[in-house]
Order: sequence, then C-alpha cells, then structure tokens
Amino acid sequence: GAVVSQHPSRVICKSGTSVKIECRSLDFQATTMFWYRQFPKQSLMLMATSNEGSKATYEQGVEKDKFLINHASLTLSTLTVTSAHPEDSSFYICSTENTEAFFGQGTRLTVV
Amino acid sequence: GIQVEQSPPDLILQEGANSTLRCNFSDSVNNLQWFHQNPWGQLINLFYIPSGTKQNGRLSATTVATERYSLLYISSSQTTDSGVYFCAVTTTDSWGKLQFGAGTQVVVTP
Repeated sequence: GAVVSQHPSRVICKSGTSVKIECRSLDFQATTMFWYRQFPKQSLMLMATSNEGSKATYEQGVEKDKFLINHASLTLSTLTVTSAHPEDSSFYICSTENTEAFFGQGTRLTVV
Repeated sequence: GIQVEQSPPDLILQEGANSTLRCNFSDSVNNLQWFHQNPWGQLINLFYIPSGTKQNGRLSATTVATERYSLLYISSSQTTDSGVYFCAVTTTDSWGKLQFGAGTQVVVTP
C-alpha cells in the first residue's frame, strides 16, 4: 500500500497562533489528497480535498480562511490552522486519493 | 449523502472470544474499507472490500453490496485487537472522499 507520512504527530500551540501540518506521499505522486478531522470520541469527518496546483475544495461548514491548504507538489500537501482557538483542538489526518485510501499517522493539535 | 451505520457501538470481549461487527450503508458504494484505529490514533487498513469475502489471519470480512452491508469477523481475539473499528465508504458521486461510520469501540480483556 501507499506510504503517507504526516508531521508533526503532536503539537501544542497558544491561542491566536498558526500551526502547519505536513502530509507527504513517500512512494507515489499524489495529485489529490484528503484532510479529515476527528474530535474526541467521534468519527472522522472530511474537511477538504487538496488538489495539486490548484485551490483546495472545502466541505460545507469548513472555513477555508481558517484552514489553509497548499498542495504545491505531487508529494506534499500542507494544512495550516490559522489563528487557532481551543475549539480547533482536534486530531487531523490526511489520506491518499487511491482506490484504497491510506492515511498518515495523524496530528493531535492542542490549543491552549 | 450516504449514511453509514455501525453496530454495536461498543463491544467488550474476553481474550479468545469471537465477534462480528456490522456496517450498513444506505446507497450503492464503489469502495468500502475497514480500519482499526489504535490508541495513538493511527488508522490501520484492514480490508478494502467493496464486495465479496476476504481473510487476513484472524480477521475476515464480507460485503454483500446488493444488500448494502458489510461484516467484519474477529476470531480468537487478543488484547492487541482493542481499539476502534471503522467502516468507511465512497460512492461514484464522491470518489475518494470517505464517509465514515461512527465506529465500534472494542475492548478485549485478558
């Protein structure tokens, strides 16, 4: 299966600051990747689709100005949580576009 | 959009027991996957099974696409099987975008 690497695995930041999460495809070229969010004791919800060389598409209810997605190369997609607030604390995880989805390790964000 | 329902929501097993997890979905799918989420949050791919039956060691899965359900079987459970099991699907209208069920929390006791 595809190998997806996500960093950092855990981050704590102060309210009002921005945090960047990286998602790398290590063994294939990814024109499309997906970002999901998981709140404690809940399931995973799709946030946005990251498209190489073009704008990301966001699911309903997800603020595109708050969650900036950049997919500048075929191996790297980044998610930046801007002006983070405690309610943004969550588990963020990326996946591949392949027929069978493979996920990165996930990033646990805590905003204090 | 498509609805994905998993049952039971929670399952407590004694080591060595067998169990069946169910995933019902409300529309035709072109992809169905089972994942195990470990305590660190990582999603482990168990099966890619839009139809048919597959087996991998003590785990097996069956999807009956025409009846819109999938089953995951765990045999001779071990404590390392503990975690949350998710079923996720995609449809032709949402290629690549996984819709997850709520999950089944499994606890295997020694």
